[in-house]
Amino acid sequence: RKEVEQDPGPFNVPEGATVAFNCTYSNSASQSFFWYRQDCRKEPKLLMSVYSSGNEDGRFTAQLNRASQYISLLIRDSKLSDSATYLCVVNPPGSSASKIIFGSGTRLSIRP
Amino acid sequence: NAGVTQTPKFQVLKTGQSMTLQCAQDMNHNSMYWYRQDPGMGLRLIYYSASEGTTDKGEVPNGYNVSRLNKREFSLRLESAAPSQTSVYFCASSPHGHPVPLFGEGSRLTVL
Repeated sequence: RKEVEQDPGPFNVPEGATVAFNCTYSNSASQSFFWYRQDCRKEPKLLMSVYSSGNEDGRFTAQLNRASQYISLLIRDSKLSDSATYLCVVNPPGSSASKIIFGSGTRLSIRP
Repeated sequence: NAGVTQTPKFQVLKTGQSMTLQCAQDMNHNSMYWYRQDPGMGLRLIYYSASEGTTDKGEVPNGYNVSRLNKREFSLRLESAAPSQTSVYFCASSPHGHPVPLFGEGSRLTVL
């Protein structure tokens, strides 16, 4: 089993729809979690952190389920500009950026 | 603008040629990283430098060398390029103890 797994997609949804995707991780002792966004042929950029209590930023909600070892990202009222690849990032015990593990990404395409 | 700057943005090499990817950050970050990104593989850490004067191997160090020239600069060298090193290379940096790297724009390398 990969340490961090994501459904590669693509998820193809109409503008205005709600879309959600998950990311599973194998190390139950992992300490922190993040979502990055990567536009086509661009660098990954931090989208949001994922806290145990959940985290909401506008139309984006990130949640953590420790019991089932997954994090999720929900996008409401999706916009064309949300089209991108979303990378799940897991930080195993040790809290060092050198140890973080990136998922392969979930590709999201919003259609008009 | 403040951030991580990589050069060159694009490079084509022949098998066996050598080259150096340059990276500089102006955010006074202690830690710097080199990743490669391949389709379906996610971001994989090649080398990192936790602080000036130190470097450590990441997940895929074979075929690469690095130099942390000073706090700002971290270079990646391919001594004898191979087609398997065709990839997009990202330099990143983060403050000490902060597990969320900030990425440069990437360098696309093709080895023929």
